[in-house]
Amino acid sequence: AQSVTQLGSHVSVSEGALVLLRCNYSSSVPPYLFWYVQYPNQGLQLLLKYTTGATLVKGINGFEAEFKKSETSFHLTKPSAHMSDAAEYFCAVQGAQKLVFGQGTRLTINP
Amino acid sequence: DTGVSQNPRHKITKRGQNVTFRCDPISEHNRLYWYRQTLGQGPEFLTYFQNEAQLEKSRLLSDRFSAERPKGSFSTLEIQRTEQGDSAMYLCASSKRDSSYEQYFGPGTRLTVT
Repeated sequence: AQSVTQLGSHVSVSEGALVLLRCNYSSSVPPYLFWYVQYPNQGLQLLLKYTTGATLVKGINGFEAEFKKSETSFHLTKPSAHMSDAAEYFCAVQGAQKLVFGQGTRLTINP
Repeated sequence: DTGVSQNPRHKITKRGQNVTFRCDPISEHNRLYWYRQTLGQGPEFLTYFQNEAQLEKSRLLSDRFSAERPKGSFSTLEIQRTEQGDSAMYLCASSKRDSSYEQYFGPGTRLTVT
């Protein structure tokens, strides 16, 4: 069975600082991995995905993530945080026909 | 392409009442999913349709829950005899039948059971 662990339920960074949100996965098969963002009272928006091929994937809004099989990780980064990045971020792994989500990381941006 | 839509966006009901939610997927998507999200948690899978066939149901989907997708287009999720523990955000997502596995989510229906 697939599972995801997001390290840190709450991350706070200053505007302009590096954003790093951590995700580790467990999967019995080669994983398909996703990062979604959720703004208050809204649904989830896909930021980026890894299926096969290049291990560094770029997404929307300047985010990127690197798949590291040896570390079973798929951490999300952004070089320079913007106030509009404040939201809840979810890492997910594809399990059979459904997504298995982590518990989420709330990102706060300090001015 | 107008995205996935869900109605209503908010529902307040009294314990013991029945409620029904609707999801309209992206038009060319033949797969439709329902998830439940409680406060401070990630979404949890409830059920999945390919066209009109319900192919998988989670153990979270008790016998008070039923989902349908009668013509392979929109879907409904009904909860009978609601309980306070049913209070959550109910999310619908859709995807194409291809290798991308990208699921597109609607805005959700927030259910409050009083």
